[in-house]
Amino acid sequence: GQQVMQIPQYQHVQEGEDFTTYCNSSTTLSNIQWYKQRPGGHPVFLIQLVKSGEVKKQKRLTFQFGEAKKNSSLHITATQTTDVGTYFCAEMTDSWGKLQFGAGTQVVVTP
Amino acid sequence: DTAVSQTPKYLVTQMGNDKSIKCEQNLGHDTMYWYKQDSKKFLKIMFSYNNKELIINETVPNRFSPKSPDKAHLNLHINSLELGDSAVYFCASSQETSYSPLHFGNGTRLTVT
Repeated sequence: GQQVMQIPQYQHVQEGEDFTTYCNSSTTLSNIQWYKQRPGGHPVFLIQLVKSGEVKKQKRLTFQFGEAKKNSSLHITATQTTDVGTYFCAEMTDSWGKLQFGAGTQVVVTP
Repeated sequence: DTAVSQTPKYLVTQMGNDKSIKCEQNLGHDTMYWYKQDSKKFLKIMFSYNNKELIINETVPNRFSPKSPDKAHLNLHINSLELGDSAVYFCASSQETSYSPLHFGNGTRLTVT
């Protein structure tokens, strides 16, 4: 099946800086879910986007779904060391919960 | 009060052995999954069960056999383990509604030597 592409694969960020990670697809996405996995941990659900152009915020995290529903982004402002981890976007491709994950963006924060 | 729990957390075994991983969820969810995360952190679905019934069976070697005795439990048995089976295996669960988020267990790190 189709797979969402995430860029960049790695992101080194200085503490206090902003960064954005992107999730792209060649076809229209029905929805996008974002997960965060801390080092040695398990994926934890962050947010779900369903509507075209949807924007959702969680404190310093801003999630956006493109107008054409072919891309999504996660923007983090004023990065903190607690933001370290791998951020995955995923599309649920059927009603039974089959999630197709992107390869993830691994974020390293330098104090 | 752990939501999705897996045992064991670590599993080290030799090639050719048979091993099982157990998973239990107390969230009252109807759907449970097994995902495999490889060394490059890529997450891929293996199986999904809904109310004890197999719903999703991806292209997985038949050495892997899931079993769901009830909707709160989903176990994974692996026969004749191979080096390439080394990975982290995550159990997850979700409500039986469209686009429900997944709740993952802490994972089982399987190392085959």
